[in-house]
Amino acid sequence: EPEVTQTPSHQVTQMGQEVILRCVPISNHLYFYWYRQILGQKVEFLVSFYNNEISEKSEIFDDQFSVERPDGSNFTLKIRSTKLEDSAMYFCASSEDRGHRQPQHFGDGTRLSIL
Amino acid sequence: GESVGLHLPTLSVQEGDNSIINCAYSNSASDYFIWYKQESGKGPQFIIDIRSNMDKRQGQRVTVLLNKTVKHLSLQIAATQPGDSAVYFCAEGRGFKTIFGAGTRLFVKA
Repeated sequence: EPEVTQTPSHQVTQMGQEVILRCVPISNHLYFYWYRQILGQKVEFLVSFYNNEISEKSEIFDDQFSVERPDGSNFTLKIRSTKLEDSAMYFCASSEDRGHRQPQHFGDGTRLSIL
Repeated sequence: GESVGLHLPTLSVQEGDNSIINCAYSNSASDYFIWYKQESGKGPQFIIDIRSNMDKRQGQRVTVLLNKTVKHLSLQIAATQPGDSAVYFCAEGRGFKTIFGAGTRLFVKA
């Protein structure tokens, strides 16, 4: 069964450094998403991406965050200047059609630890 | 703000019994709901979804029930197995995003 893959599984970064999290969505999917989950808390929406532009973003997704689809297969999340509170699991997801009324399929996440 | 959430943070069931996980939502205009399973160290795994024009939907060993009158949905797992141990999230599809509830951790006793 096709799946969303994410790399790395664990990223340790010094506060203030830039980090890029990578994802390969399911190949025939057109919509891409990033979510985060702080330890013990809910999964929170960050951003959705379609046709090479952001379609929706949350309040969490401020100017330090950016997303990109640099080629036909990868989808990345960049955090420009990491803060301690950015420590969380970051999940990439994709869906065939618009998220509404279509399930989003998630990868196994990247654990980001900011020191 | 309007939300979706679960009734109980934990549920313990005997192997072989049926499990029922409940969820309430607040927005009467909500029209698409999804149940996800999250095992330790993994991402949310899609289980089953339901649209508001349905009251019930069945999958393999799972059934989702939607009661729009009281804004409640439930996930029923038949003949619960040790492999069903996980955190279960009800979620709402809203626009481009999925809104997750807080999760119920299901423990299966042998």
